[in-house]
Amino acid sequence: DVQLVESGGGLVHPGGSLRLSCEVSGFIFSRFGMSWLRQAPGKGLEWVSGISGNGDVTYYADSVKGRFTISRDNSKNTLFLQMNSLRADDTAVYHCAKDWGIVVPVPMGNWFDPWGQGTLVTVSS
Amino acid sequence: DVQMTQSPSSVSASVGDRVTITCRASQDISDWLAWYQHKPGEPPRLLIYAASTLQSGVPSRFSGSGSGTDFTLTITNLQPEDFATYYCQQANSFPPPFGPGTKVDIK
Repeated sequence: DVQLVESGGGLVHPGGSLRLSCEVSGFIFSRFGMSWLRQAPGKGLEWVSGISGNGDVTYYADSVKGRFTISRDNSKNTLFLQMNSLRADDTAVYHCAKDWGIVVPVPMGNWFDPWGQGTLVTVSS
Repeated sequence: DVQMTQSPSSVSASVGDRVTITCRASQDISDWLAWYQHKPGEPPRLLIYAASTLQSGVPSRFSGSGSGTDFTLTITNLQPEDFATYYCQQANSFPPPFGPGTKVDIK
């Protein structure tokens, strides 16, 4: 069975940092792009960042560009999201998800399945 | 960037009903569209990709259609486990935008 398990969420003050992890099992991790997506309280789904299978190509939503960094360790089947300069509007449940599409040379067919259960990030003073 | 809209924003229905949700893209996206079901406390679930292809394990009462800018998700014979929020998502560029969601609740 494919499993994605996020960790690393919590309460952080505005301006602070967190590092999320997503441990994956059940498929050949290095062959697939991965993404982070989030849902803020009472809001809809939002894509945050994506990365190619080998980690060479990354994409970011404008709302997090310059503050968040996505990376992966294919030897450990783990995806990461380093979040710096956190703001109140970053408060959300963050999910990692397997990307069925391609990222290189251009994104195409990028539907996400499955998603992890999510980890809650709360940014508040 | 492509913008996605959905209608209605919510719909009340009964078990056994047929429910239709519409998704519109701000520009032609061919058939690069996915539909997800999301229930509180659970991760979103991919239902349909490439506008009309049913994901493995998804009941056949779910169907998708459309291409270009206009798409439809139809649920026939609505079941109790289908009460949820449904999102469409454009899938041929980053950022891949989601529609605002359609909540299907019990009449």
